[in-house]
Amino acid sequence: KQEVTQIPAALSVPEGENLVLNCSFTDSAIYNLQWFRQDPGKGLTSLLLIQSSQREQTSGRLNASLDKSSGRSTLYIAASQPGDSATYLCAVGGANSKLTFGKGITLSVRP
Amino acid sequence: NAGVTQTPKFQVLKTGQSMTLQCAQDMNHEYMSWYRQDPGMGLRLIHYSVGAGITDQGEVPNGYNVSRSTTEDFPLRLLSAAPSQTSVYFCASSYSGLAGELFFGEGSRLTVL
Repeated sequence: KQEVTQIPAALSVPEGENLVLNCSFTDSAIYNLQWFRQDPGKGLTSLLLIQSSQREQTSGRLNASLDKSSGRSTLYIAASQPGDSATYLCAVGGANSKLTFGKGITLSVRP
Repeated sequence: NAGVTQTPKFQVLKTGQSMTLQCAQDMNHEYMSWYRQDPGMGLRLIHYSVGAGITDQGEVPNGYNVSRSTTEDFPLRLLSAAPSQTSVYFCASSYSGLAGELFFGEGSRLTVL
């Protein structure tokens, strides 16, 4: 059974810092990997989706990488801003075409 | 476009009561799913649909029922509410599969007393 781990559970950084959020998974036979953002009391918003054949995806200040062999993905946020404060969830799409979610990392960017 | 709309946003039930959480999407997506989010558990798949008239069970289906009579609507029914069903429920839709880019509703927070 696929397990997805996101450590640490919470992170606080000063504004302007470049930061990396980590996601690890136990089964490397994945279909894709997706990063989501969740604001308090809101639904999830898809940020980046990486297919299993890809190594990375970029959108604005966000860059997500995927290393299937090591079971890891990272979400890089450049020049962090207070508006980036949210919970970031990683989800792995398996061969059964269903997603397994991590528990998320709650990010706080201090002005 | 409204995207994915869930109602109600908040609901309090007594044990044994039944209710329906509504979900509607206006993007003509074939794939729709229901998740529950609990503290320390991550999101878990309850039921899903790959098109009108087709539904199947996810990871935690017990106590819930679904139907998909139209492409737009995918209601989730709680048959006899239990305190263990206290949670935040999210409906999601996708044009590219259950593991494709998902579009989520804003959630329905349910408390069962």
